[in-house]
Amino acid sequence: EAEVAQSPRYKITEKSQAVAFWCDPISGHATLYWYRQILGQGPELLVQFQDESVVDDSQLPKDRFSAERLKGVDSTLKIQPAELGDSAMYLCASSLALIGYNEQFFGPGTRLTVL
Amino acid sequence: KNEVEQSPQNLTAQEGEFITINCSYSVGISALHWLQQHPGGGIVSLFMLSSGKKKHGRLIATINIQEKHSSLHITASHPRDSAVYICAVRFDGPNTGNQFYFGTGTSLTVIP
Repeated sequence: EAEVAQSPRYKITEKSQAVAFWCDPISGHATLYWYRQILGQGPELLVQFQDESVVDDSQLPKDRFSAERLKGVDSTLKIQPAELGDSAMYLCASSLALIGYNEQFFGPGTRLTVL
Repeated sequence: KNEVEQSPQNLTAQEGEFITINCSYSVGISALHWLQQHPGGGIVSLFMLSSGKKKHGRLIATINIQEKHSSLHITASHPRDSAVYICAVRFDGPNTGNQFYFGTGTSLTVIP
């Protein structure tokens, strides 16, 4: 069964360091989402791609976060420099299309701990 | 304001009990998603619905569009059902984008 892949699964870093997360969506899925989930809360959207284009990055802290999906397939989310408050689960999801009745499929997530 | 509220926040049940988790939202939606998140963090899609009722095994999801409310039911609960259940909605109307807005989740523990 097709799955959304993410790596690494766990990342521990010191504050002020740079971190990067990778996501490979289900083949053929045009829409890709990056979410941040703080412990005890629901996921919050950071950035949404349609193919290689950013559709919504209004909640992305652009002073330190960046995301790209250069060829419209896999995607990278980067944080530089990391801060203590960035400790969270970073989830990637994909869906067939941006509009319409399209279910999201989630990856296993990357749990980030910033020391 | 687009809001999604879930209740209860935490739920403990004995194995075999019938469980209901509720989700309410503030304005019209085009779709509602029930998700399950296990302690490891991975999220699994359970149901996506825009009207009526869906059933899969011991899980049943219903939605009442007029009352802006959805419920997730688990029949004959089992300890392996222990997880966080999250409701997510896609709101109708302009300026909502096509993103899902998530509730904070209901943490379910089923005791043997």
